[in-house]
This record gives sequence, structure tokens and C-alpha cells, in this order.
Amino acid sequence: ETAVFQTPNYHVTQVGNEVSFNCKQTLGHDTMYWYKQDSKKLLKIMFSYNNKQLIVNETVPRRFSPQSSDKAHLNLRIKSVEPEDSAVYLCASSPDWGGVQNTLYFGAGTRLSVL
Amino acid sequence: AQKVTQTQTSISVVEKTTVTMDCVYETRDSSYFLFWYKQTASGEIVFLIRQDSYKKENATVGHYSLNFQKPKSSIGLIITATQIEDSAVYFCAMREVYQGGRALIFGTGTTVSVSP
Repeated sequence: ETAVFQTPNYHVTQVGNEVSFNCKQTLGHDTMYWYKQDSKKLLKIMFSYNNKQLIVNETVPRRFSPQSSDKAHLNLRIKSVEPEDSAVYLCASSPDWGGVQNTLYFGAGTRLSVL
Repeated sequence: AQKVTQTQTSISVVEKTTVTMDCVYETRDSSYFLFWYKQTASGEIVFLIRQDSYKKENATVGHYSLNFQKPKSSIGLIITATQIEDSAVYFCAMREVYQGGRALIFGTGTTVSVSP
């Protein structure tokens, strides 16, 4: 049963435009993440948030900026997209930052195509 | 730095047989957790099974089991009695307890195709 919701499912845009993706989790988790999955299926962590505070920024280009209004929501804005930003962006959540043994729950992803 | 490697790009099997896929990891941490996830054709990623580094016995959940060889830094996934719906991309992942960040680090994935 889906509990991590991402919008939109797909987004097509042109180089230089700004895009925003939304993520909401209804699991009551404290920690949320953004992952990027490229065309080769490689999953790379971008940002980690705990209780709406940024914990880790994994050397992501500065045009990417996450935003969290509360611990259930984590959005991602890309200020000026570039062709290499074409990918699937996956949002995930876990119960808390300290629970390393906890699994992650993923959303269905937002597929971004940059023309 | 932590690293997870899956060398098998794809595996094809006939249903009702057993498939085994490999994963090796690198870590300097004394304590860590290893996970396997499955990504279906729809893109959905679901958790399958976890191995705790301090446990000697291999984890088993349903028709998924692990082959944990700590001296070799290896965590293989075994799927018995495969079904068509087991066709997916399987990811190995690791989280360290003490060193580095707490995010889940993934391998490159192994595509499994199960045919009738």
C-alpha cells in the first residue's frame, strides 16, 4: 500500500527552466530522502532530512534545493535544469535518523526529461 | 568510504527454479546493515530482506534468503521457487552505524528475468 506520494509522475521541460517536485509521506516518519536514479538504474542519495531539518547534502549541484515545511513533506526544486538532470527522482522515508536498521519506504518517483 | 558492488548485470531463469545473485560491499565500520530491495517494472521499490552484520545466521523471509559471508564482505540473495512476478531489478544496499552518513547506499542492480 502506497504511503509515500510523489507528484508529478512525469515532467518534461527545457534546459534552463525551473521545476519543482513534491513528496508527502503518511507513515508518521521523521526522516525523508531524495534519491536520483539515472538511465542505468543507479540510485544515488541526494539529500537527507530529519524532522524537516537538512542533515546531509551529498555534494549535489547548487541548482538543486530541497524544502521541507514539516516532517511529512519534502519537496525538491531545480533552479535551472540541465540535460544531465534527466532522471527519475525518488523520495523515501524512514522512521527516524538514528534507526539505522530501519528500511526505507519509497515513492513511485518523478521522471524528469530535459529537452 | 562505503561501497556496494553488484557485478551481475542480468540473470535469466525458468520459473520454479532458484536464482542466486551476488553483492560485495566495502566498509570500515564495525557495525552495519545490509538490505535487498526489488524494483518492479512499474518503478516501485520495495524492501525484501535485511541482514545485521553482528548476526551469524543468514536471514530468511518467505522464499528470499541471504548468504552472508562476512570475511568476504559478501551478501548474496537467493530466491527459491521463482515466479514470473519475481522478474525485476534487485538492489543490494548498505547502511553503516558509526562511520559516514546514515543514508542507504545502493549497488548498481541485477535484472532478473523469469520465464515460463
